[in-house]
This record gives sequence, structure tokens and C-alpha cells, in this order.
Amino acid sequence: GQQVMQIPQYQHVQEGEDFTTYCNSSTTLSNIQWYKQRPGGHPVFLIQLVKSGEVKKQKRLTFQFGEAKKNSSLHITATQTTDVGTYFCARGSGNTGKLIFGQGTTLQVKP
Amino acid sequence: EAGVAQSPRYKIIEKRQSVAFWCNPISGHATLYWYQQILGQGPKLLIQFQNNGVVDDSQLPKDRFSAERLKGVDSTLKIQPAKLEDSAVYLCASSSGSSSYNEQFFGPGTRLTVL
Repeated sequence: GQQVMQIPQYQHVQEGEDFTTYCNSSTTLSNIQWYKQRPGGHPVFLIQLVKSGEVKKQKRLTFQFGEAKKNSSLHITATQTTDVGTYFCARGSGNTGKLIFGQGTTLQVKP
Repeated sequence: EAGVAQSPRYKIIEKRQSVAFWCNPISGHATLYWYQQILGQGPKLLIQFQNNGVVDDSQLPKDRFSAERLKGVDSTLKIQPAKLEDSAVYLCASSSGSSSYNEQFFGPGTRLTVL
């Protein structure tokens, strides 16, 4: 259906290690948005990907959209304790503003 | 620029009681969303408003949930009567446009506990 699956569900890393979360769909995506939710906080928009094969960078964060527009990934280089939180991908659905969120990947960083 | 405001931040009620949540979106944002986020899950859209009209309420349990946005600005979400499974964080979000290509801005949420 229109669900997006995120893996892994949890990831514990040592500070300085890299981290990657994947977002997969069985159907073609029109767009994908990524949000970050800190513990006890609310989702905050990070980026949107629209084009096939698109790659966008924000400092240590690299976002990719697959060539077939069925998957996306978020890679963090050299994690820091400030990266702790849950990362959600969300797909657009239909012609409305509706977003369908994945279940998220929770990142823990050990100092 | 002020963000999305929500109140209350926390609410504890017993099952079968009623509860209401309030949201004030970012000024000028015509589109308002209510999401339910159960612990360990991603937000799930309950209802989307465009000004004071409903765009999508397909996942709103209409036998117990209702929402309104009478003047196209503030919105309230009500649950009557509450069930144990309604325990969750209720997030309000707004965006400047009605497309899924628009960034959504979330409020701090209301954490509801139903005993």
C-alpha cells in the first residue's frame, strides 16, 4: 500500500561513528520528507527530496532519493550527541497535504 | 515568528470522560493538521483543514473524535468518550500550502493519558 518502512528501528553508536537509516516503499514516491524528533520534542522538518537520484547535504547529514523513487536514505557522518533523536521519513499521498510517516529510526549516541 | 501553539501540554483523564485540545497555527498558514502519535510510532494524520474546510478526515474515528476550525485560524480536537487506546501525543501542525510538498511545522503536542 502507501506505507513506508524504515530500518533499523533502533541504532546505538559510539560518538564519531557514522549512522544510516533507510526508508523503503513498494510504490513510487512523488516526494519524501525527513523529520527529526528529539526525545520529548516534536517533529522538525529537515529536508525534502523530489527528483530521482537526488542527493542533498546539510553539514554532516546526507539525504538520498533512489533512482526508482522507491527508497531514500539519511546518512550522518561522525555522529555527535546532538544527533540523538528519532528520524522519520514521510511520503506525500495524493493531491492533498497528507503525509504518511514511517515508524522512525531512533538513534542513541554514546559519548 | 511564533510557532504553532498547543494547549494543554498534558492531560490525564479516566476512560469515558471527554477532553478537548486547542491549536493555534502559524499566522497566515491556511492548512492545519491534527496527528495522533502513539509511543514508538510515527505521527498518524487524523484530520486536515484548508482554511475552515475539511480536506481529509479519513482516519478520524468519527464515533468519538471531532474537530473544528470555525474561523479558519484556531482549531479544537475533541474526544468523547475517551478510551484507553487514545493515550497518545496529539500533535497539531500547519503549513503555508495544502500540498504534500509543503513543509509542515509542528506544535509541542498534548500528551494524553487515559486511565
